Amino acid sequence: GQNIDQPTEMTATEGAIVQINCTYQTSGFNGLFWYQQHAGEAPTFLSYNVLDGLEEKGRFSSFLSRSKGYSYLLLKELQMKDSASYLCAVAGDSNYQLIWGAGTKLIIKP
Amino acid sequence: SQTIHQWPATLVQPVGSPLSLECTVEGTSNPNLYWYRQAAGRGLQLLFYSVGIGQISSEVPQNLSASRPQDRQFILSSKKLLLSDSGFYLCAWSRMGSYNEQFFGPGTRLTVL
Repeated sequence: GQNIDQPTEMTATEGAIVQINCTYQTSGFNGLFWYQQHAGEAPTFLSYNVLDGLEEKGRFSSFLSRSKGYSYLLLKELQMKDSASYLCAVAGDSNYQLIWGAGTKLIIKP
Repeated sequence: SQTIHQWPATLVQPVGSPLSLECTVEGTSNPNLYWYRQAAGRGLQLLFYSVGIGQISSEVPQNLSASRPQDRQFILSSKKLLLSDSGFYLCAWSRMGSYNEQFFGPGTRLTVL
């Protein structure tokens, strides 16, 4: 079967760094997405990785290891507005569908 | 630029009543279109997707249906709502024939009482 695992919830302190992990087992791989979703709102795109390595985009970075079926999202200099759920999604064999993880709720404390 | 609209934003319906949620996309042609449902504190469940007018694929058998009467219009319907249909309904689009990211509409919060 196809499966994506993320921690359910994480807590971090304002100004600190947090790493949110995602492991996946899918039939086929055509890239991994990270989305941010604030409570009551729609998900918004953060990053896309299809090759191994680290992609940096401002305070957010995303890493992929295809051989390990593993990705992480790294958030630096955390701000209160980063409190949200972070969803990991994989493009597998299908041209049209993404396989979604359940999301990690990130709580930022002052 | 592309935009995606969904309405209504919130909806409270009694059990057994019909449902119609509409989604439209502007600024792109031949998009892939998706309907998702998200239960409180849970991930996204794909309900339907469409790669063209009149082409609908269902992922979860249930009392919901979808239609795509026009290229950039996607409608989610039900003849009789169940309590379990409550949730956050999201419409999304992606560029045709690629693994590009999906772009989401603002969502509809449906409560069935």
